[in-house]
Amino acid sequence: EAGVAQSPRYKIIEKRQSVAFWCNPISGHATLYWYQQILGQGPKLLIQFQNNGVVDDSQLPKDRFSAERLKGVDSTLKIQPAKLEDSAVYLCASSLRWGGSSYNEQFFGPGTRLTVL
Amino acid sequence: AQSVAQPEDQVNVAEGNPLTVKCTYSVSGNPYLFWYVQYPNRGLQFLLKYITGDNLVKGSYGFEAEFNKSQTSFHLKKPSALVSDSALYFCAVRDNQAGTALIFGKGTTLSVSS
Repeated sequence: EAGVAQSPRYKIIEKRQSVAFWCNPISGHATLYWYQQILGQGPKLLIQFQNNGVVDDSQLPKDRFSAERLKGVDSTLKIQPAKLEDSAVYLCASSLRWGGSSYNEQFFGPGTRLTVL
Repeated sequence: AQSVAQPEDQVNVAEGNPLTVKCTYSVSGNPYLFWYVQYPNRGLQFLLKYITGDNLVKGSYGFEAEFNKSQTSFHLKKPSALVSDSALYFCAVRDNQAGTALIFGKGTTLSVSS
């Protein structure tokens, strides 16, 4: 079974530039998450999708971050304009389904390491 | 507020010795708890989870974790450590207030010496 795919793996940009990250979840996984992992910290949720609908984006800095999941499969995360503090690893994860008494684990992609200069 | 605490930044253990990586949690409602491992330049890999049932949960690579409701703890354990177990370990709890995202601890670096 193929895992969660992300691209690019690395990106270096100047502050105030824009950048986009792409994620392809595991086939059949309805739920998709974007996390931000700053060096020395655990991942923090940015946004959660169920199919192509947003479940939780309460921690997404909406003045500069946006995300979409067209057709309920692939997803893109965009930052415009980038700030120095956006330097982090951006992780995409997917899980089989959401809710109920049974909870499925999340599978993570390798991440995109963003450096903002 | 819901949270996870990993009190140790680093745990050092000799190969062949038992290891414990500590985790405590604070969550509203039933806790759904997870352990993940992260190797350099790689994503997080799932080790094990506690949803309900037995307090001792067995997972991948010989790891297990003990759920203790009274102490709100979910410590990761392994009877005999391997050098290849050296990595960054994250404890996480499901966010019961919004969606089903995970709330992670800051991580504990495990170093196993030969």
